[in-house]
Amino acid sequence: KNEVEQSPQNLTAQEGEFITINCSYSVGISALHWLQQHPGGGIVSLFMLSSGKKKHGRLIATINIQEKHSSLHITASHPRDSAVYICAVRSGANSKLTFGKGITLSVRP
Amino acid sequence: NAGVMQNPRHLVRRRGQEARLRCSPMKGHSHVYWYRQLPEEGLKFMVYLQKENIIDESGMPKERFSAEFPKEGPSILRIQQVVRGDSAAYFCASSPPGLGEAFFGQGTRLTVV
Repeated sequence: KNEVEQSPQNLTAQEGEFITINCSYSVGISALHWLQQHPGGGIVSLFMLSSGKKKHGRLIATINIQEKHSSLHITASHPRDSAVYICAVRSGANSKLTFGKGITLSVRP
Repeated sequence: NAGVMQNPRHLVRRRGQEARLRCSPMKGHSHVYWYRQLPEEGLKFMVYLQKENIIDESGMPKERFSAEFPKEGPSILRIQQVVRGDSAAYFCASSPPGLGEAFFGQGTRLTVV
């Protein structure tokens, strides 16, 4: 079993829909990261969370430390949100990241 | 403040040649991480370095791969005698001490022919 599991594996949505991507982890962590990668592109850090909830524009990230679970929500989805969304955890302040396999999101116009 | 700079963006090497990948961290960042993304697979940790020190190399293959982060200049990931299985995207990330925030470069896409 991977230390970081993401679901669903692939996701297709219509423009304007509310989207939720989930991440579960099995190890103790100091922080959880949500990352975005466009095809053939670089990796952009969306959020770093250690507790509670963060919001940036149409993106919201939440984490439940007791349940070892995090969600990334996208409101009013747009085709430009089509990308791979990767959950990653860190066990210490400057330790390595352990990644989930990523979710491929496709938003249709 | 420029972001994490990786070069080259694309690198083609013949089997048996050497590949050198460079990463310049963001200004003020003393922690550098190298990750590899194989085709159709997720990202995997390779090595974590601070200036002149290797902190964690538990993800590095035992042979042909080495990394350094000298006092001056970029961090270098070196792959000797490349094989087709080394074809992948190699990402560098940097972070400032203590905060754990991760800033990624655009990656180097290595193709071994």
